[in-house]
Amino acid sequence: QSALTQPPSASGSPGQSVAISCTGTSSDVGGYNSVSWYQQHPGKAPKLMIYEVSKRPSGVPDRFSGSKSGNTASLTVSGLQAEDEADYYCSSYAGTNSLGVFGGGTKLTVL
Amino acid sequence: EVHLVQSGAEVKKPGESLKISCLGSGYSFTNYWIGWVRQMPGKGLEWMGIIYPGDSDTRYSPSFQGQVTISADKSISTAYLQWSSLKASDTAMYYCARPILVRGLIRIDSWGQGTLVTVSS
Repeated sequence: QSALTQPPSASGSPGQSVAISCTGTSSDVGGYNSVSWYQQHPGKAPKLMIYEVSKRPSGVPDRFSGSKSGNTASLTVSGLQAEDEADYYCSSYAGTNSLGVFGGGTKLTVL
Repeated sequence: EVHLVQSGAEVKKPGESLKISCLGSGYSFTNYWIGWVRQMPGKGLEWMGIIYPGDSDTRYSPSFQGQVTISADKSISTAYLQWSSLKASDTAMYYCARPILVRGLIRIDSWGQGTLVTVSS
């Protein structure tokens, strides 16, 4: 199946909020409450930030939040900090015959 | 605490074979899926496949079916990703990942540190 669609870049100043979108179809994002978001700093492995649309793993700051409407999910980072500068990938379950699908990634720049 | 520790970087020539590994610790290796994610230079993440070490049930993404082999040795809590004949286009970072799969829900809660594979003549 096709990758989920994310904007290639997003930016915001320290303290501001920024939202990153992730658009799929009714076969993935819209069909399941199984959207995850991963943060990847350069040269590092990805890290789970949000799962099941809006749940945060232990240790992830509550500045990170997730939501979904129809076939589009969003990750919102509030109170931007310098360390939030990274690549962010969304992912969704896509049915029993699939391993899931990733978005193309969004590079978040803190100005 | 869950740890996934991968084997080191590899430099290979086209046509050579390769097997990289991922050692899982801190959890019951046989009771969780484990898989591999490819990241080509400057590109995004792609699922390659997953294996359930308890019964060796293996699933591949269509793009990787027949191109690689995923296996696991539960006696030493280690998963493997293998190529029989590498191509230059296999140059990438490969991550070992533990997906949590529960009735239509999936997330990757643990990642290895990555193994860089470079294929060049």
